[in-house]
Amino acid sequence: KAGVTQTPRYLIKTRGQQVTLSCSPISGHRSVSWYQQTPGQGLQFLFEYFSETQRNKGNFPGRFSGRQFSNSRSEMNVSTLELGDSALYLCASSLYGGGNEAFFGQGTRLTVV
Amino acid sequence: AQKITQTQPGMFVQEKEAVTLDCTYDTSDPSYGLFWYKQPSSGEMIFLIYQGSYDQQNATEGRYSLNFQKARKSANLVISASQLGDSAMYFCAMREFNTGNQFYFGTGTSLTVIP
Repeated sequence: KAGVTQTPRYLIKTRGQQVTLSCSPISGHRSVSWYQQTPGQGLQFLFEYFSETQRNKGNFPGRFSGRQFSNSRSEMNVSTLELGDSALYLCASSLYGGGNEAFFGQGTRLTVV
Repeated sequence: AQKITQTQPGMFVQEKEAVTLDCTYDTSDPSYGLFWYKQPSSGEMIFLIYQGSYDQQNATEGRYSLNFQKARKSANLVISASQLGDSAMYFCAMREFNTGNQFYFGTGTSLTVIP
């Protein structure tokens, strides 16, 4: 059974650009959540998608957006990149979003220069 | 107030010894779950163990056990017989099942296993 796949693993972008990150959940899982991890702020919740609908959203500016496709794959987009957006972005896959399991991908390490 | 508190930024343990990583939590939701994840330098968050708020017994998964003290709101991770491969960051996390299911993470504990 394949795990959670995040692409790309590494990205370097320039301030002002936009970026799209991808997350393919475990087969059969319908919930995908995104988290930002930085040394200063730790792990913070961005948003959760379930069955193509955003079900929950963290406290991030509107430059951060996402979507989920019918095959449960999810993308998150960050527009007008700032230096402070440099982080490890992790996605978590689970069957329905709650419960006793959530599996994370290896993350996408974004560097904004 | 912090939902999850991990007070040990760094811990050292001798190989083959046991180690306890501390975690306290704060919630008013009666239905919640507590998780421990291991994050090696590669970045992936590896699920270790889960404890539900209604579970009567402490969870165990191989060398990992969770010391759940509900009244004290603590969920400490015990790793027995430490191995060199256990060196990593360890995160305690909580989900509140009546309020959105998102994870609240602690700041993590860096564990170093000494040969």
